[in-house]
Amino acid sequence: AQKVTQAQTEISVVEKEDVTLDCVYETRDTTYYLFWYKQPPSGELVFLIRRNSFDEQNEISGRYSWNFQKSTSSFNFTITASQVVDSAVYFCALSEAGSPPGGSQGNLIFGKGTKLSVKP
Amino acid sequence: DSGVTQTPKHLITATGQRVTLRCSPRSGDLSVYWYQQSLDQGLQFLIQYYNGEERAKGNILERFSAQQFPDLHSELNLSSLELGDSALYFCASSVEKSTDTQYFGPGTRLTVL
Repeated sequence: AQKVTQAQTEISVVEKEDVTLDCVYETRDTTYYLFWYKQPPSGELVFLIRRNSFDEQNEISGRYSWNFQKSTSSFNFTITASQVVDSAVYFCALSEAGSPPGGSQGNLIFGKGTKLSVKP
Repeated sequence: DSGVTQTPKHLITATGQRVTLRCSPRSGDLSVYWYQQSLDQGLQFLIQYYNGEERAKGNILERFSAQQFPDLHSELNLSSLELGDSALYFCASSVEKSTDTQYFGPGTRLTVL
């Protein structure tokens, strides 16, 4: 069955610290996509990144970086030099290309989220 | 701003009532998705429409229904409301395939009293 696990429920850091948010996924599909979304206190869900299962190259975007490792089924997210504005709940999500019942036909399966608090 | 709009932003109603949530997708997007976010269940997929037709169904209750209109906007109808239906309801849209990036609207917060 498809599943996304974010074991860290809450993380608290002080500004300028680096922080890594963990994401482990389960899927039987060979073609799938992984996403990270940010939900700030205002409530909206903001798209951060999409990665397909055939591209294991790590990605860096400013202070954000993502480490995709198929061997460990992980897609971890690191924020370098964290800022107060990074405080939010971060969700990792999985979307499978296969059709039901084996695949989820692409709808997003979310983890429970990690609440990140960055203190000044 | 994702380009996805949802109305209303907040909705307060009583048990047993019926409400309609509305969503307009990003320009050019053909697929619309509905998700429910609650404290106990987290973010759960409800239903997907593609170009007016239902494409995939998730954990959507029989009391809930949705449709997508020719202009591609979508409505989620919730009836015989219960206290447990109180949640944040998100609409998302993507270009075509459900593995495309889904962009989310600001959500509708439903409170059932």
